Amino acid sequence: EIVLTQSPGTLSLSPGERATLSCRASQSVSSNSLAWSQQKPGQAPRLLIYGASSRATGIPDRFSGSGSGTDFTLTISRLEPEDFAVYYCQQYGTSPLTFGQGTRVEIK
Amino acid sequence: QVQLQESGPGLVKPSETLSLTCTVSGDSISGYYWSWIRQPPGKGLEWIGYIYYSGTTHYSGSTNYNPSLKSRVTISADTSKNQFSLKLSSVTAADTAVYYCARVPSVWGKGTTVTVSS
Repeated sequence: EIVLTQSPGTLSLSPGERATLSCRASQSVSSNSLAWSQQKPGQAPRLLIYGASSRATGIPDRFSGSGSGTDFTLTISRLEPEDFAVYYCQQYGTSPLTFGQGTRVEIK
Repeated sequence: QVQLQESGPGLVKPSETLSLTCTVSGDSISGYYWSWIRQPPGKGLEWIGYIYYSGTTHYSGSTNYNPSLKSRVTISADTSKNQFSLKLSSVTAADTAVYYCARVPSVWGKGTTVTVSS
C-alpha cells in the first residue's frame, strides 16, 4: 500500500499569502496519478488537480500542482477567503487507492 | 455533466449489512471505474473499493477492494439502471461514516451519512 504523508498538518495564513502544501509517497506514484482535492465542512471533496499538475475544469489558476515520483506539492499563490479548507492528496494509480491525512489551511 | 447520488438507510444495526446505491446521471457507467469511499466523523478519507464495467454482454464487471475491508465488501453494478451498489456486512460502530460514491478522482456524490447503532 502506498502511504501518503501530508505536511504540515495545519497551515495558518492570512488572505493574500501563498500556501505551499506537501504530499510525500512511500513509493513512486504510478504515472503521476496524484490528485489534490479541497474539502469544506459538510461538503464532499472537490477535485482541484489531477495527474499531479493538471487543473480540473473551473479551478482558478491560483491553484497549481507540481512534483513527480514520491514528492508532490500543491501551491495556492494568493489565498482567497474561500480557500480556507482541508486539502487532501490522493493516489489513484495503484490499488489500494490511498489518501493523505489532510492539511488544514486556516485563517491566521 | 456527470452527477452521482447516494441513497440508502441512514441507520444500520450492529452485525447487519449496510447497503447503499449510487445513481449515475449524465453518462453511462460503462467504461469507467466507480468507487466507494468513506469518511468517519472528524477523520480522513478511506477508499473502500471500485467496480469497472466494460459494457460487454455477459460481463458482470471487475472489482477491487481495500484489503482492510475485503472480507466484508461487495460492490456490484446494474447497467439497466445506471447504478452501482455497496454492501458491507457485519457492521460495527467503527463503520459509522459519510459514504461517498465517486468516479475517482474527478466526480463525487454529495455523500450519505450512515450510523451504526442499535
